[in-house]
Amino acid sequence: DVKVTQSSRYLVKRTGEKVFLECVQDMDHENMFWYRQDPGLGLRLIYFSYDVKMKEKGDIPEGYSVSREKKERFSLILESASTNQTSMYLCASSNGLAGGQDTQYFGPGTRLTVL
Amino acid sequence: GQQVMQIPQYQHVQEGEDFTTYCNSSTTLSNIQWYKQRPGGHPVFLIQLVKSGEVKKQKRLTFQFGEAKKNSSLHITATQTTDVGTYFCAGPQKAAGNKLTFGGGTRVLVKP
Repeated sequence: DVKVTQSSRYLVKRTGEKVFLECVQDMDHENMFWYRQDPGLGLRLIYFSYDVKMKEKGDIPEGYSVSREKKERFSLILESASTNQTSMYLCASSNGLAGGQDTQYFGPGTRLTVL
Repeated sequence: GQQVMQIPQYQHVQEGEDFTTYCNSSTTLSNIQWYKQRPGGHPVFLIQLVKSGEVKKQKRLTFQFGEAKKNSSLHITATQTTDVGTYFCAGPQKAAGNKLTFGGGTRVLVKP
């Protein structure tokens, strides 16, 4: 079974803090993704990566950055957290056979609250 | 903007009844995928459809891919409380570099 883990289930931070969300997958997948999920807005793609040290902006990258130094790990960084970044953050991975089209496997999510 | 639309956004169903939720894309899709997210959980892959007009069944769930490969439906018969959750469809969008684009989801609530 594919396993995608995220560093925290719940996180509370203060406005202006730098926040790191970590995601690790154990299936040697090429592709990794970060989404945020808000009520009524579905899943919105923040950033994705198809390879180590590669990153691409998704639909809502503003206020976020990412790092992929190792194949299994994809980190989402909030440089200066703001209250409008309070959300559920979901990491996903997929194998690289068909680019971004493959089935995605999601982690359990991190519910971030910014005060 | 979002190019994969799902209707309805919410579906209240009496236990034992059937219902259908729909997924529509603005462009032709090479495949359509369905995911289910239980309350408090994360999206879990259910099924993928690839061929025009394809129909697949998983117990009480029937998935269909339209002939034009621009829409899909999920039909659940004899709804049970275990069907509660949000169902997402997702398809690769050329405008998005063939990345999966998720619909907004249909949140299913079951009345016992």
